[in-house]
Amino acid sequence: DQQVKQNSPSLSVQEGRISILNCDYTNSMFDYFLWYKKYPAEGPTFLISISSIKDKNEDGRFTVFLNKSAKHLSLHIVPSQPGDSAVYFCAASAGGTSYGKLTFGQGTILTVHP
Amino acid sequence: DTAVSQTPKYLVTQMGNDKSIKCEQNLGHDTMYWYKQDSKKFLKIMFSYNNKELIINETVPNRFSPKSPDKAHLNLHINSLELGDSAVYFCASSQGPLPLRFRQGNYGYTFGSGTRLTVV
Repeated sequence: DQQVKQNSPSLSVQEGRISILNCDYTNSMFDYFLWYKKYPAEGPTFLISISSIKDKNEDGRFTVFLNKSAKHLSLHIVPSQPGDSAVYFCAASAGGTSYGKLTFGQGTILTVHP
Repeated sequence: DTAVSQTPKYLVTQMGNDKSIKCEQNLGHDTMYWYKQDSKKFLKIMFSYNNKELIINETVPNRFSPKSPDKAHLNLHINSLELGDSAVYFCASSQGPLPLRFRQGNYGYTFGSGTRLTVV
């Protein structure tokens, strides 16, 4: 019973173009969402987050969009750079008594070609 | 100066053995976690400690026992290892266990680089 799903295992994009990574969730109690980036043999690193009271959060080249009615969020990277090639994980938290517990998706491998 | 460090990075061991993975953070965080990345690549929480107190204990076999001697350390001991325990184990820390929406600004865990456990 995976409450957070990233249905695209991989994505290939040309340098300079937009990368769009998608994430769907089923638990309506989730109220905070995060994206993590992971390079091989390293731990995930925090990238950007969004609270459920917002529908967009932007940080430089990275923008996260949240559509609560569709239980869907996406990460946009513009412009994409070869250094962005990594695995991207979507994660969600339910607040309340979750004690900071994050539920992760299975990740999407992004490859940005020069 | 690594923020969250795990040792060992790789661990190969035989079925039935007992092994430990150590984790230390120097960020002054109050909360530490163990996550397991399974063969399907999902990261799933196992345990969380806040100031040495267990606050999250997911459905994990009791062969797995976390120990937190102080808030900067959270070790994971595994008894009677099985083939299915093979995975990458990640330690992480955060400023506290409060609901994330109450935090100012962006928030996220700091992860260690992982321990790849292979049981043969």
